[in-house]
Amino acid sequence: RKEVEQDPGPFNVPEGATVAFNCTYSNSASQSFFWYRQDCRKEPKLLMSVYSSGNEDGRFTAQLNRASQYISLLIRDSKLSDSATYLCVVIPNTGNQFYFGTGTSLTVIP
Amino acid sequence: GAGVSQTPSNKVTEKGKYVELRCDPISGHTALYWYRQSLGQGPEFLIYFQGTGAADDSGLPNDRFFAVRPEGSVSTLKIQRTERGDSAVYLCASSLVGSSTDTQYFGPGTRLTVL
Repeated sequence: RKEVEQDPGPFNVPEGATVAFNCTYSNSASQSFFWYRQDCRKEPKLLMSVYSSGNEDGRFTAQLNRASQYISLLIRDSKLSDSATYLCVVIPNTGNQFYFGTGTSLTVIP
Repeated sequence: GAGVSQTPSNKVTEKGKYVELRCDPISGHTALYWYRQSLGQGPEFLIYFQGTGAADDSGLPNDRFFAVRPEGSVSTLKIQRTERGDSAVYLCASSLVGSSTDTQYFGPGTRLTVL
């Protein structure tokens, strides 16, 4: 079983739409969680950390559900510039290596 | 300030050849990571350095892969007897101290193509 499972999409949404991505993880003792954004042929860049209490940064909201072992990312009022691949990242309690999901592709359509 | 840099940006080699990929982390970052990303996949962990030592090399796929970081800064990933299946983008990342909550900053990657 993979450490991190993520729906690859693609998600094609109109501008202004709200879209949500989920990501499940297998290690219940995982300790840290992130969402990274990756543009085509570019390196991943940190979008936001995911905290147990949930956190919001502008149009982006990240949540963690430890009981069900998933993290989510909600994007409100989608912009064309949000088009990218969104990677969820889980760090186990046994080390510092990042486990990445396969990424979810989002295209925002005018 | 300068981010993580990687050279070369592209490398084309023939099956069986030896290649070296270089990573220059952000100055002052003690932790350095190597990942491999194939098309349509997320980055896959290869090895993690804390200072000069490899703290976790469990992701290296086999003994053809080796990495060093002799002075605790620049790192080189070495691949012997390359195979077509080694073709991927090799990403390097660094973080300040290597804790689980540290942000990892990625370099632009080296795109390796084995013919």
